[in-house]
Amino acid sequence: KAGVTQTPRYLIKTRGQQVTLSCSPISGHRSVSWYQQTPGQGLQFLFEYFSETQRNKGNFPGRFSGRQFSNSRSEMNVSTLELGDSALYLCASSLELAGNYEQYFGPGTRLTVT
Amino acid sequence: AQSVTQLGSHVSVSEGALVLLRCNYSSSVPPYLFWYVQYPNQGLQLLLKYTSAATLVKGINGFEAEFKKSETSFHLTKPSAHMSDAAEYFCAVSDRGDQAGTALIFGKGTTLSVSS
Repeated sequence: KAGVTQTPRYLIKTRGQQVTLSCSPISGHRSVSWYQQTPGQGLQFLFEYFSETQRNKGNFPGRFSGRQFSNSRSEMNVSTLELGDSALYLCASSLELAGNYEQYFGPGTRLTVT
Repeated sequence: AQSVTQLGSHVSVSEGALVLLRCNYSSSVPPYLFWYVQYPNQGLQLLLKYTSAATLVKGINGFEAEFKKSETSFHLTKPSAHMSDAAEYFCAVSDRGDQAGTALIFGKGTTLSVSS
């Protein structure tokens, strides 16, 4: 079974621009979560989608948004990019069955804002 | 609110030596706990999870962890380190305790170095 895939793997954007990152979960997984990883703040939860609905949200500004499609694929968007948005963005999917809630992570998208 | 603290940002061991990575958690309810490993330029790989079924949890690559409620700890161990174990390790707790919620709260991570 294919793992979680994220595209693109690397991205360079200019301050003020916007960016869209894509995540395809493991087949059959309906929950998709997004995390930001930086050297200073570590791994931080952004938001989680389940059946096309945002079910949980971390403490990030409104510039960060996401959505999920009917096939469970998810996108996250960051508008008005700031230098501090440079990070590795990780997507994780979960099967969400009783007793089986572990999250499986993709390789991430490395975003550099200049 | 749930949280985890990883003691020691860097741990260095010799090949063949015991690996011990420390994690303490804070949770008002029985927690779901996880250990993940991250190799350079890669995502996170699940090593093992604690979901209250057994206090000693065995994972992949020879790693195991013991849940100790009295010490609020979930330390990761491996009897004999290999060079390939060099990576960053993260302890995480589910944000809803034993409900295995949808957000993971991570520790700051521990970088493991293995020397020959």
